Amino acid sequence: SQQGEEDPQALSIQEGENATMNCSYKTSINNLQWYRQNSGRGLVHLILIRSNEREKHSGRLRVTLDTSKKSSSLLITASRAADTASYFCATADGFGNEKLTFGTGTRLTIIP
Amino acid sequence: DTGVSQNPRHKITKRGQNVTFRCDPISEHNRLYWYRQTLGQGPEFLTYFQNEAQLEKSRLLSDRFSAERPKGSFSTLEIQRTEQGDSAMYLCASSLDPGVSYTFGSGTRLTVV
Repeated sequence: SQQGEEDPQALSIQEGENATMNCSYKTSINNLQWYRQNSGRGLVHLILIRSNEREKHSGRLRVTLDTSKKSSSLLITASRAADTASYFCATADGFGNEKLTFGTGTRLTIIP
Repeated sequence: DTGVSQNPRHKITKRGQNVTFRCDPISEHNRLYWYRQTLGQGPEFLTYFQNEAQLEKSRLLSDRFSAERPKGSFSTLEIQRTEQGDSAMYLCASSLDPGVSYTFGSGTRLTVV
């Protein structure tokens, strides 16, 4: 079953603008990960944030985590056409449970 | 090693036929995972292996589905008597550091007609 919802389901922005997408989850977690999926392809790992972290940066990516609200956000700054993809959050609860539980995804379109 | 490899990339089959997919993980990864993704949804866990042992199966994995990893290297996922509802992308992932780092293959797109 899906862990939770991602918001918005779809987002279209102009190239160069920032894109923000949100993820909510239901259970306690060990970490939360964000993945990108280009159309019809596999998933590419972008960034991981642990449950004891509140913010993390990697290049043009910024991830926040609020465990009290069971939510996370992914910010992509200075978007590029190549960022067009679906973005998924996934949680690992770390309690002897190895599988990732994915959200429903946000479809991001960057308009050149 | 070029990552996780899945074959075939696409498979079209008639309802009722059996299909088998293959996944070759990154060679040093002892964990291998299968996920299913339907259109517009996130991937859903099916099953995973540690070496050759199948350690967990989702209730999504009906008795028509079987997965093997006979020598702890490549894995196969077989679907018997396919149904239209089996149409999906089947994704394989491998990991050396479970819960932290996973590498996904490009998937096998199954269409049941």
